[in-house]
Amino acid sequence: DGGITQSPKYLFRKEGQNVTLSCEQNLNHDAMYWYRQDPGQGLRLIYYSQIVNDFQKGDIAEGYSVSREKKESFPLTVTSAQKNPTAFYLCASSHQTGGEETQYFGPGTRLLVL
Amino acid sequence: RKEVEQDPGPFNVPEGATVAFNCTYSNSASQSFFWYRQDCRKEPKLLMSVYSSGNEDGRFTAQLNRASQYISLLIRDSKLSDSATYLCAVNRRGNNRLAFGKGNQVVVIP
Repeated sequence: DGGITQSPKYLFRKEGQNVTLSCEQNLNHDAMYWYRQDPGQGLRLIYYSQIVNDFQKGDIAEGYSVSREKKESFPLTVTSAQKNPTAFYLCASSHQTGGEETQYFGPGTRLLVL
Repeated sequence: RKEVEQDPGPFNVPEGATVAFNCTYSNSASQSFFWYRQDCRKEPKLLMSVYSSGNEDGRFTAQLNRASQYISLLIRDSKLSDSATYLCAVNRRGNNRLAFGKGNQVVVIP
């Protein structure tokens, strides 16, 4: 089955705790992305990576960190510095075809702060 | 002006009717445009790319108006299963990044 998987589906974070969200894809896509979605809001880009061992900050990178050690994997860590982490986190990947950057999304992780 | 703007609605549509909505974008250099469908508490799923000449997929028609910088989505013969939020996405020229609108919420009423 080809696609993007994210785990866990739900995650609870205590105050001051770092948590890591997993994102794996077997689509052989070069680029991967992390978005955050708040209720009634659009998707906001946190980090993206266009190639292994390289990544760039998106629009709201503060309080988050990522790594891209393998093409298939792009984990996101929500650090204690992120003061309002409750949101729906979506991972996406893309393979540039004919100049179009079509992105495909994983099922998402809902993060709640206890 | 925001990069991508959509009227959130909701757009209440009688079953069988036609509904259309627009998405405006600010970057005149944008080259790629997409419509995604997002069901409640689910991930966005690609509905269709939007081509310069316009394109149709069954009951769905997408158009691009470069002069006025907007894309549109039209749904004909609305089904109850069309109830969802429709997100537009526009590329940020020069890289693979997309800017997303907040979505148009469509509610098809029996």
